[in-house]
Amino acid sequence: DGGITQSPKYLFRKEGQNVTLSCEQNLNHDAMYWYRQDPGQGLRLIYYSQIVNDFQKGDIAEGYSVSREKKESFPLTVTSAQKNPTAFYLCASSPTHSGNPDTQYFGPGTRLTVL
Amino acid sequence: AQRVTQPEKLLSVFKGAPVELKCNYSYSGSPELFWYVQYSRQRLQLLLRHISRESIKGFTADLNKGETSFHLKKPFAQEEDSAMYYCAHYSGGGADGLTFGKGTHLIIQP
Repeated sequence: DGGITQSPKYLFRKEGQNVTLSCEQNLNHDAMYWYRQDPGQGLRLIYYSQIVNDFQKGDIAEGYSVSREKKESFPLTVTSAQKNPTAFYLCASSPTHSGNPDTQYFGPGTRLTVL
Repeated sequence: AQRVTQPEKLLSVFKGAPVELKCNYSYSGSPELFWYVQYSRQRLQLLLRHISRESIKGFTADLNKGETSFHLKKPFAQEEDSAMYYCAHYSGGGADGLTFGKGTHLIIQP
């Protein structure tokens, strides 16, 4: 598969701790996204970035933070302010940053469990 | 707010039977709609997009603006079609992510 990778595959965190999920892509895509996937809830957009050094909140940004210092990297930090952090997190990228609904390519996901 | 509704959480059909996964959207403009699929132990991937009007793996989906629907259909189901299917909508503008439905788990019985 390649192209867009996420690490780690599984992550455990104690309550009150921040944790950072990694997302890297070598597809030279402009746009990157973070989604949260919960059983029976589908995917919900957390943050997205259309270009380096710029990002926007999605539908459920509270308790999360991101950075986009490099085109290929879009790490997500789950902070202690996130009330329900246990979930499956998916990162995606797409080649165009606005206007066109281009195909999004997804990473394999990170399963975060709060103990 | 945009909404994508997939009314069936689970759909079970026999191999060789026709399949229809329902998707309805709420958006007043010209929608851009997609079907994504997630096979067991694989990552989420695009199945088809309505603007391409293509058939992928025997699946087709027609946009019906009058009924605001984008149902996914296949005339003869195969066992390898078993997967989670997500309908997604992109409206552009300020929120450039996709709005996903909650997904339908399709099970093809032998």
